Amino acid sequence: SQQGEEDPQALSIQEGENATMNCSYKTSINNLQWYRQNSGRGLVHLILIRSNEREKHSGRLRVTLDTSKKSSSLLITASRAADTASYFCATVSPDRGSTLGRLYFGRGTQLTVWP
Amino acid sequence: DGGITQSPKYLFRKEGQNVTLSCEQNLNHDAMYWYRQDPGQGLRLIYYSQIVNDFQKGDIAEGYSVSREKKESFPLTVTSAQKNPTAFYLCASSRGQGTDTQYFGPGTRLTVL
Repeated sequence: SQQGEEDPQALSIQEGENATMNCSYKTSINNLQWYRQNSGRGLVHLILIRSNEREKHSGRLRVTLDTSKKSSSLLITASRAADTASYFCATVSPDRGSTLGRLYFGRGTQLTVWP
Repeated sequence: DGGITQSPKYLFRKEGQNVTLSCEQNLNHDAMYWYRQDPGQGLRLIYYSQIVNDFQKGDIAEGYSVSREKKESFPLTVTSAQKNPTAFYLCASSRGQGTDTQYFGPGTRLTVL
């Protein structure tokens, strides 16, 4: 399967703590993206890291990419109750016979941040 | 307001009926996508379209059909041939470059009674 797999499936922490989620994938990628989904809502894009990048920051988010290990991590620092959501990684690989890259989603990590 | 909208938010269907889910975007995006999400699962691609009047099957196209007559609109029909249609359906769009970020609608929850 080309889809990413997040680890852990569920994570429960207190406000102020850091949350780390991992994503592993199996094939070569163009880029890897992280999305957030609040319960019963659509997905919201958080950050995109290209295959030639190793680390990227956006506010309290830090993403790393290790293409040799085919893995990525998402770190949320100083977490807040409002960070409670599901977090998905999605990998982009060229589609066969098409120039349109496909997004392959993992099953997500459910993060719960307690006040 | 720029964005992507889906309607209805909740949809109930009797077995054997076809239903059509609406997806509209005013982001001027070329590419549009339909995903299905089951509880505790990731997203699976049903159909996608790179340009008007063209679309391709995704991983789970059986029992579904789409059309792309306008750039702004990409409706999904769930037919009676879909064996287990109860799910959360998400529409997304992107500029069309395959590596681009996708923008998602709020979703439609379909329940078959």
